[in-house]
Amino acid sequence: NAGVTQTPKFRVLKTGQSMTLLCAQDMNHEYMYWYRQDPGMGLRLIHYSVGEGTTAKGEVPDGYNVSRLKKQNFLLGLESAAPSQTSVYFCASTAGLAADTQYFGPGTRLTVL
Amino acid sequence: GQNIDQPTEMTATEGAIVQINCTYQTSGFNGLFWYQQHAGEAPTFLSYNVLDGLEEKGRFSSFLSRSKGCSYLLLKELQMKDSASYLCAVMDSNYQLIWGAGTKLIIKP
Repeated sequence: NAGVTQTPKFRVLKTGQSMTLLCAQDMNHEYMYWYRQDPGMGLRLIHYSVGEGTTAKGEVPDGYNVSRLKKQNFLLGLESAAPSQTSVYFCASTAGLAADTQYFGPGTRLTVL
Repeated sequence: GQNIDQPTEMTATEGAIVQINCTYQTSGFNGLFWYQQHAGEAPTFLSYNVLDGLEEKGRFSSFLSRSKGCSYLLLKELQMKDSASYLCAVMDSNYQLIWGAGTKLIIKP
C-alpha cells in the first residue's frame, strides 16, 4: 500500500498562474482533506470531502477549488496564484470521524513569486 | 474563537524525560490527538485521548484533563530521533481538527 501520495512535491509559480495538486489514497477512505502549513501556525483546513462527489469549505477556502470525482482522488486547484499562497500543502485521509487517525501525504512545497 | 496553545520550542537531553503541554479552547470536544512531524516530512499519528487520564504507548504517554482543557505528551528515554515537532490537535463539535502550531523538540547529546 502506498498510503497517501501527492504530486507534485515541489512547484514554483508566478503570480496569476494556475495549477492543480493531486492527492491519491489507496486505503478506501471516505474522508479526505487539504491543509496548508505555514511557519508559526497550525495546520489550517482549506477544503474537505466526506465522500465521492462531495466537497465542503474549511477554515481558509478563498482562492482554492477542489474536486473529488473518484473516491481515491482529491484535487486542489489554484486558479490565479498569489504570493500569499506560498506554503506547504498536505493532503490527508481517514476512514471515518471521531477517533479515526488522519493519514497524511508527503506534502507539496509551493512557492508563488 | 478556537485556540490551541503549546510551547514553541523545548530542549532536552538524550536519555531524559520531557513533557510537552497543550491547552485548548474549542467549540465542543471529540478527542485530542498528538502527531509527530520531522522536518520536511508529513505529520504521523502518535496518540488519541477522549477520556480523562493517561494513555501509555511504549516510550510515549499522553494525558488528558477535559475539565482543565489541557493535555500533555510525555516522552521517556529520549533518543536523538525524537527531535521533531509535536503537534496537538483537538477535534471540535463539527469533527474538524483544530491544530496547534506545534512544539519543536531539540534533543542534545
